[in-house]
Amino acid sequence: AQSVTQPDIHITVSEGASLELRCNYSYGATPYLFWYVQSPGQGLQLLLKYFSGDTLVQGIKGFEAEFKRSQSSFNLRKPSVHWSDAAEYFCAVGATNSGNTPLVFGKGTRLSVIA
Amino acid sequence: DAGVTQSPTHLIKTRGQQVTLRCSPKSGHDTVSWYQQALGQGPQFIFQYYEEEERQRGNFPDRFSGHQFPNYSSELNVNALLLGDSALYLCASSLVAGNTIYFGEGSWLTVV
Repeated sequence: AQSVTQPDIHITVSEGASLELRCNYSYGATPYLFWYVQSPGQGLQLLLKYFSGDTLVQGIKGFEAEFKRSQSSFNLRKPSVHWSDAAEYFCAVGATNSGNTPLVFGKGTRLSVIA
Repeated sequence: DAGVTQSPTHLIKTRGQQVTLRCSPKSGHDTVSWYQQALGQGPQFIFQYYEEEERQRGNFPDRFSGHQFPNYSSELNVNALLLGDSALYLCASSLVAGNTIYFGEGSWLTVV
């Protein structure tokens, strides 16, 4: 069975500082990995996904993530955080790369941005 | 192009009642999945519909049921509501042959 761990429940960063959100997954086969963002009272928006190939994946809003198989990690990064990035971030894993794969989510990391 | 739309946005029900939530998938999408997101948790997969049949199901009791219509829209029904059913219910749509899953903004259910 798949599982996802996001070790940090809440992170606070200053505007303009860099950001790294951690994600560890557990899955015996090739994982298909996703990062979603959820603004207060909103649904989930896909930031980026990794299926295969280059282990550094670029997403929307200036985010990137790096897949490290040896560490079972898929950490999300951004070089310079903007106040509008304050939200809840979820890492998810799927068993396949098809549109019908159920996703298993972590519990999320809440990002606060201070001036 | 409208994305995934859900209704109602918010609703309050009493324990023991039944509720129906509705979802219209993104245009052209044929697969609808439902997720439950309790407060402070990540979404959990309830079930998935494709070609009007339930294809996959997560670890949820039979009180949770659904339906998919010929136009691909879907309903989630929950019977005999419990306080613990209070959550944000998210609908996700996709193409079974695709690889991107889009989520709606959800329906907030409060059971009192």
